[in-house]
Amino acid sequence: EAGVVQSPRYKIIEKKQPVAFWCNPISGHNTLYWYLQNLGQGPELLIRYENEEAVDDSQLPKDRFSAERLKGVDSTLKIQPAELGDSAVYLCASSSRGHEQFFGPGTRLTVL
Amino acid sequence: KQEVTQIPAALSVPEGENLVLNCSFTDSAIYNLQWFRQDPGKGLTSLLLIQSSQREQTSGRLNASLDKSSGRSTLYIAASQPGDSATYLCAVRAGGFKTIFGAGTRLFVKA
Repeated sequence: EAGVVQSPRYKIIEKKQPVAFWCNPISGHNTLYWYLQNLGQGPELLIRYENEEAVDDSQLPKDRFSAERLKGVDSTLKIQPAELGDSAVYLCASSSRGHEQFFGPGTRLTVL
Repeated sequence: KQEVTQIPAALSVPEGENLVLNCSFTDSAIYNLQWFRQDPGKGLTSLLLIQSSQREQTSGRLNASLDKSSGRSTLYIAASQPGDSATYLCAVRAGGFKTIFGAGTRLFVKA
């Protein structure tokens, strides 16, 4: 069984540029999460989807971040424009009905 | 507001030692608690999931316990090996199904 797939694995951009991350969850998992992880800290939830509905986006900085999960499968997280403080690892996870979460390898973003 | 704390922040032990990692949380109204392992530059690997109605879970050399009333969970690693070196994170699923992570314990097992 394939795990959670994320791309790209690494991204380096100039500040004020846009960037997008893609996630393909484990087949059959209706819940998808996007987390942000800073160095030396635990992941922090940005947004949680139940199927195609964003049920918790309270921690998503909506002035520059957006996300979508069309058809309740793949998801894209976008930042526009990126700021220096956005440099971090962006993790995607999925679960079935709120149970055990499985994580992808993450995308390491560096904003110069 | 739920807060999750992991102590110690870092731990170095000789190979073969049994060890305990601690995780504490401030609100006992949780749905479950999950332990993860994270290797440098990698994503998180799920180790054990304990539902709120359970007291412990075991997988191989790992045993996780949960005491909701005291707001504590422990991860016991038996006969530690150099390959166990990683950061161990606990995550609590709390009200509104929000997941709160601790900052992790960085473990180094010396050969």
